[in-house]
Order: sequence, then C-alpha cells, then structure tokens
Amino acid sequence: AQSVTQLGSHVSVSEGALVLLRCNYSSSVPPYLFWYVQYPNQGLQLLLKYTTGATLVKGINGFEAEFKKSETSFHLTKPSAHMSDAAEYFCAVSVPTGANSKLTFGKGITLSVRP
Amino acid sequence: GAGVSQSPRYKVAKRGQDVALRCDPISGHVSLFWYQQALGQGPEFLTYFQNEAQLDKSGLPSDRFFAERPEGSVSTLKIQRTQQEDSAVYLCASSLDGYYGYTFGSGTRLTVV
Repeated sequence: AQSVTQLGSHVSVSEGALVLLRCNYSSSVPPYLFWYVQYPNQGLQLLLKYTTGATLVKGINGFEAEFKKSETSFHLTKPSAHMSDAAEYFCAVSVPTGANSKLTFGKGITLSVRP
Repeated sequence: GAGVSQSPRYKVAKRGQDVALRCDPISGHVSLFWYQQALGQGPEFLTYFQNEAQLDKSGLPSDRFFAERPEGSVSTLKIQRTQQEDSAVYLCASSLDGYYGYTFGSGTRLTVV
C-alpha cells in the first residue's frame, strides 16, 4: 500500500518569499505523484503531476516540484509567493496499475501568505 | 460538460435520513472515483468505477454506503440511515486514466444533525 506524509499542517510566508511545501511518499512500485490545491468551498485543482521522464515538473501558477526517488520526496516550491496562493495544498500518490489508479492523499498543508 | 458537476452543493440531513449525492463526470471519462473528505483532512478513497462496473469498493466505511453508475456516466452515492460521523465533503473525480490525472468536482458538503 502507498502512503503520503506532509509534515506540519500550516506554513506561513511573506508575499514575495519562497514557498516550500514538503511531501514524502511510500510506494512499493514506481508511483505517480500529484499536487492539488483546494480553495475554500471548492474542489481540488491539479497543480502538477509526475508520471515518468523528467524529474523536475512545472505546473500552473508558477509552481514546480522535483521527484527524488532516493529521498522518496516530491516537494512543492514557488520562488515568489502571491497573496492568491493562500489555500490548502495536498500531495497525493497513485500506483499506475491501470485499472484502479486511485489517489492516496496526505493530510494537507494550509499555506498563509502575509502582506 | 466542461467539468465534473456535483449536486447538491450542500445537504443537511437529520440523523437516520437517507441521502443521495449525484456526480456528472466529464463526457468520455471512463474512470470515476468517490472520495470522502472530513474536516481538516485529506480526501479518502471510497469507491471506483470503470464505466458501469464498480471495480473497487474497499473504501466504503459501512454497508450503509452504496454507489452506482448504471449507464457508465452519471453516478450516485447513497448513504442510508445517516449518522453524525458521515458529515463530510464528498468529492467525485473522473479520469481518462491515471496517467492524465483526475478532474475533481466541487463536492457535496453533507451535514448530519
């Protein structure tokens, strides 16, 4: 079975500062990895995903993440935070077995951005 | 439609009532998933459909939960005799397959009073 660990429940940064949200995963087979963002009272929006190939993946809104197999990590970064980035962020893993590629989520991290 | 549509957006049920939550996936998406998101938690898998076949229902918390997708498109999640612990946001997601990712609906917030 796969699992995701997102350490800490809340990260606060100043506007313009680096955003770093950590994610570690556990999987017995090479995983697919995802970051989703959730704004209040809304569903989950895909930020970026890693499936195969290049380990540094770029997503929407200036976010990127790097798959590091040796560290079993998939940390999310953004060079300069905007106020609009304040939201809940979820890391998720799936096992590409084809038929049932369900997502296993971490508990999520709330990002606050200070003016 | 352009996205995954869920209805109702909000549902308040008295304990013991039955509820039905609807999901309209993106047209052509073969896979459909239901997730339960408790307050302050990440979504947790409930069940999975490939077309009309329910291939995995291992996440359904009790036999009060039932899901169907009879024609391989619209899906309904039914909860019988609702309990307070059923209060959560129920998210539906559809996908062509896992490689392409999943598109989530806005969810149904169920409150059992």
